[in-house]
Amino acid sequence: QSVLTQPPSVSGAPGQRVTISCTGSRYNIGAGYDVHWYQQLPGAAPKLLIYRSRNRPSGVPDRFSGSRSGTSASLVITGLQAEDEADYYCQSYDSSLSGSPFGGGTKLTVL
Amino acid sequence: VQLVQSGAEVRKPGESLKISCKGSGYSFTNYWIGWVRQMPGKGLEWVGIIYPGDSDRRYGPSFQGQVTISADKSISTAYLQWRSLKASDSAMYYCVRHEEEWGGSDIWGQGTLVTVS
Repeated sequence: QSVLTQPPSVSGAPGQRVTISCTGSRYNIGAGYDVHWYQQLPGAAPKLLIYRSRNRPSGVPDRFSGSRSGTSASLVITGLQAEDEADYYCQSYDSSLSGSPFGGGTKLTVL
Repeated sequence: VQLVQSGAEVRKPGESLKISCKGSGYSFTNYWIGWVRQMPGKGLEWVGIIYPGDSDRRYGPSFQGQVTISADKSISTAYLQWRSLKASDSAMYYCVRHEEEWGGSDIWGQGTLVTVS
């Protein structure tokens, strides 16, 4: 059971907008520690999607955006495309664990 | 810039193992190297990190005492090792790079599949 909670699955039709939440506590997101998001396509290594809560690495489309509020963070994907179907993970430092755990992951299905 | 990991391994319970991750295309001693476990069909788990510049390291609570992370900066290579493998260690292990201690992992290795059976 991770200290960062994500919904197991979300879905949306092509062109729609979806939001994936990452709920933490005062020991991680609520303490102001950075949140990072990763995309893992089937059979591939994960890839950094968002770092420091809202920054996109070079090459990541601006359809992907991140935000945070209180003890939670969110990944928003707009203009959903078939190739966005993947698993998504959040990550943040946790002071109670003295480490950087991942959320349980969210499977995005494009209908 | 890339991280290249050693190949798949098959071991028996109780055996030892050391897998590697070689960095290239950047200054190996200026970035943290981390290890991430992914058991079959499961999510990502943070194993630990090392700073090759001074070998400062951190371990996740579930992995402390179970694995050892090390690095040889002379050959730009980090390692993850076990002294006595268990069947539950069977998983894909990824090495990752990040600039800050708790920063996002911008480069991932291709993964090393460890099978203990």
